[in-house]
Amino acid sequence: SQQGEEDPQALSIQEGENATMNCSYKTSINNLQWYRQNSGRGLVHLILIRSNEREKHSGRLRVTLDTSKKSSSLLITASRAADTASYFCATARSGGYNKLIFGAGTRLAVHP
Amino acid sequence: GAVVSQHPSRVICKSGTSVKIECRSLDFQATTMFWYRQFPKKSLMLMATSNEGSKATYEQGVEKDKFLINHASLTLSTLTVTSAHPEDSSFYICSASIQGTNEAFFGQGTRLTVV
Repeated sequence: SQQGEEDPQALSIQEGENATMNCSYKTSINNLQWYRQNSGRGLVHLILIRSNEREKHSGRLRVTLDTSKKSSSLLITASRAADTASYFCATARSGGYNKLIFGAGTRLAVHP
Repeated sequence: GAVVSQHPSRVICKSGTSVKIECRSLDFQATTMFWYRQFPKKSLMLMATSNEGSKATYEQGVEKDKFLINHASLTLSTLTVTSAHPEDSSFYICSASIQGTNEAFFGQGTRLTVV
């Protein structure tokens, strides 16, 4: 399968809570990226973490990467209703010219 | 960030007809673009790599005669779904990157419905 695994498949939380999504992948990578997709729309790039990095922050987002376990996590702190969307991790191989392989995705619902 | 424009955003066509989807990089040149397909509530599946001036590279299981890709210029790649059938109904998304960078920019997607 092209895809890695992502869990949970769906997550429902209240505003203000933190949301954690996990992603596992199968091959060696150059970098791992997280994207957001609102229903039926295109993808928005959130954050990129390189294979030699372990953690990265951007605003309310925190991404970790464990290459030994071939896994990554995305933490959204102090969630808002506007964070409701699907979140996908995507991996790029070395020399892959940004040929991205996407995880299965997590559908996040944040309730007011 | 860079802008990738995809057109049309929605199209409905009859079975047996062909549909062309365009993907343009508006403010940068892209020697390589990628086409993805997404079923409802599913992830994006890479279909093919579109290479400017040469043949596209298709992923395993993707019919090259069914999904024709042309990348005639550094800013435009087209995906033509030939002899469309209802099972081709899906959301198709393209992406492009600025050469030398890691970030991919995605088009808005095209929802194809074949009736």
